[in-house]
Amino acid sequence: EDQVTQSPEALRLQEGESSSLNCSYTVSGLRGLFWYRQDPGKGPEFLFTLYSAGEEKEKERLKATLTKKESFLHITAPKPEDSATYLCAVQATPLRAGNNRKLIWGLGTSLAVNP
Amino acid sequence: ETGVTQTPRHLVMGMTNKKSLKCEQHLGHNAMYWYKQSAKKPLELMFVYNFKEQTENNSVPSRFSPECPNSSHLFLHLHTLQPEDSALYLCASSREGAPLAKNIQYFGAGTRLSVL
Repeated sequence: EDQVTQSPEALRLQEGESSSLNCSYTVSGLRGLFWYRQDPGKGPEFLFTLYSAGEEKEKERLKATLTKKESFLHITAPKPEDSATYLCAVQATPLRAGNNRKLIWGLGTSLAVNP
Repeated sequence: ETGVTQTPRHLVMGMTNKKSLKCEQHLGHNAMYWYKQSAKKPLELMFVYNFKEQTENNSVPSRFSPECPNSSHLFLHLHTLQPEDSALYLCASSREGAPLAKNIQYFGAGTRLSVL
């Protein structure tokens, strides 16, 4: 069964303390892996898409990497405004026609960055 | 501003009420989605519309009734809901048929629904 697991469930950092969030996945074939950020009371905001093992993408203090089993979201020198829930989702290779839109979501990592 | 607008932002309704959620996208996308987000659960896909045609219904109870009059508007009609239906309802849109790099779902801010 296709599955996405994120860890840790919650993370508290001091401002400037770098760390990584993990998203491990089990799918028959990976079409794409997506990272989103969600602030309280808002919808998920798209951050990155990764498609193949070895791929990396960066945006400001965030860097996403991908292997055949997992993805990491590295946060370098975080600031309080980076506090949010970070969601990971996977799109699997479709097994049948018309079934290629469904994203399999993790539960997210709630990140709090203290000043 | 994501280009996907949902109204209302908050809704409180009794179990016998009928209400509707509205979603409008200004991104030129051709696919729209309804998701349910509950605490301690991953996002649950409810319905998918592609070019106004419903292409997925993930075993959603009939008390939820979607409507997609065109590629820019999506509604979720609610009637005789249960307290366990209280959740954040999210609308998203994407460009189906585009290269993978552009086939990304963009979300609205959601409607926080409370069923009393």
